[in-house]
Amino acid sequence: DIQMTQSPASLSASLEEIVTITCQASQDIGNYLSWYQQKPGKSPQLLIHSATSLADGVPSRFSGSRSGTQYSLKINRLQVEDTGIYYCLQHYSAPYTFGAGTKLELK
Amino acid sequence: QVQLEESGPGLMQPSETLSLTCTVSGFSLTSNGVGWVRQPLGKGLVWMGTIWAGGSTNYNSAVQSRLSISRDTSKSQVFLKMNSLQPEDTGTYYCARHSRYNSGYGPYFDYWGQGVMVTVSS
Repeated sequence: DIQMTQSPASLSASLEEIVTITCQASQDIGNYLSWYQQKPGKSPQLLIHSATSLADGVPSRFSGSRSGTQYSLKINRLQVEDTGIYYCLQHYSAPYTFGAGTKLELK
Repeated sequence: QVQLEESGPGLMQPSETLSLTCTVSGFSLTSNGVGWVRQPLGKGLVWMGTIWAGGSTNYNSAVQSRLSISRDTSKSQVFLKMNSLQPEDTGTYYCARHSRYNSGYGPYFDYWGQGVMVTVSS
């Protein structure tokens, strides 16, 4: 199975700060990587697909990048509504595997 | 618009069989796959399995021996059945639509249901 190592587990940042969350895949997964945001009591919502493509309706302050088997989600100018838990998902091969999540809070 | 809605019993006894239904609208089950994702309380997301547009299925090996996913395309419903429930099966169960394979590097999850909480306890 492909392991997705996500870091950090938690993060506290200030408004307008730049935040970066990373996922390391245990093997090559190409661009088969997506990012999701989950708010308390809600279902996950797609932010980024294909490693770097912004999902419809997602603010442009969110961006995704890839360097080899390391994937990053960047939030420019953090806003109050960006708090929540972020997950990466590899959908290169089954079993599809999520990262453990990053809990993002405002400082 | 695309919608998915899970339904099923909230409380189950150990060793019972869980049956959940995901009713979809705004797309056809013969065009997109639908997956099930479980989230234990306060923990992360775990993919359980998927039924694809062509009707084939993939399962997570951790639950494969206990899990079955099927569908009724005429009713736009996907079903999850999992037997021999244990307390560790407690959590929120989501169904989610897979994007099409030709939608970028699919098939990621592009739409999710609101989830249904299942508690396994005697």
